[in-house]
Amino acid sequence: IAGITQAPTSQILAAGRRMTLRCTQDMRHNAMYWYRQDLGLGLRLIHYSNTAGTTGKGEVPDGYSVSRANTDDFPLTLASAVPSQTSVYFCASSGDESSYNEQFFGPGTRLTVL
Amino acid sequence: KNQVEQSPQSLIILEGKNCTLQCNYTVSPFSNLRWYKQDTGRGPVSLTIMTFSENTKSNGRYTATLDADTKQSSLHITASQLSDSASYICVVRMLSGGYNKLIFGAGTRLAVHP
Repeated sequence: IAGITQAPTSQILAAGRRMTLRCTQDMRHNAMYWYRQDLGLGLRLIHYSNTAGTTGKGEVPDGYSVSRANTDDFPLTLASAVPSQTSVYFCASSGDESSYNEQFFGPGTRLTVL
Repeated sequence: KNQVEQSPQSLIILEGKNCTLQCNYTVSPFSNLRWYKQDTGRGPVSLTIMTFSENTKSNGRYTATLDADTKQSSLHITASQLSDSASYICVVRMLSGGYNKLIFGAGTRLAVHP
């Protein structure tokens, strides 16, 4: 069983470069999410998707884009990376958006933008 | 402003001792509160969920409490083990408000020493 996988595990990126963080889940969950985690702050929602074919903006969407072509995959793209995007990125999924459904998190991608 | 504040920021205890982590929130309207455990380099994993009508819930050596009147929750760890070393994150879900529904605390970093 895999649950949620993310790739790469870590990445060092030059400012201005394009980068796509990959996320795949095998639980057939409808809803998927991208968060960033910064030291001293709680996780913040970047983008979400409540079902394949739909996406929405979270709390901190600027500089990021997502797509949801199918149920399993939810890639996050940084079109032109900036140093403030240095963070740990977590992908998560849940069965649906009902209040009591647990979000399951991937192992994270540590991104450093120089 | 909807906020979740956790204390202490960090804590060191000896193996076998008990400890209590605190979570105060100003999120409204309230739906539920989850405690997550996040091991170093891993994604958060849910320990327990508390709804408005629940005061206490246990999961093994973890016991969560909720006082919805004072908007406070605690996570008590009994007979700590080295494997309890992790960050513990309090997450409050708003009853409505689109997909920005989860408010994350910054976490308490617990270190259990032999």
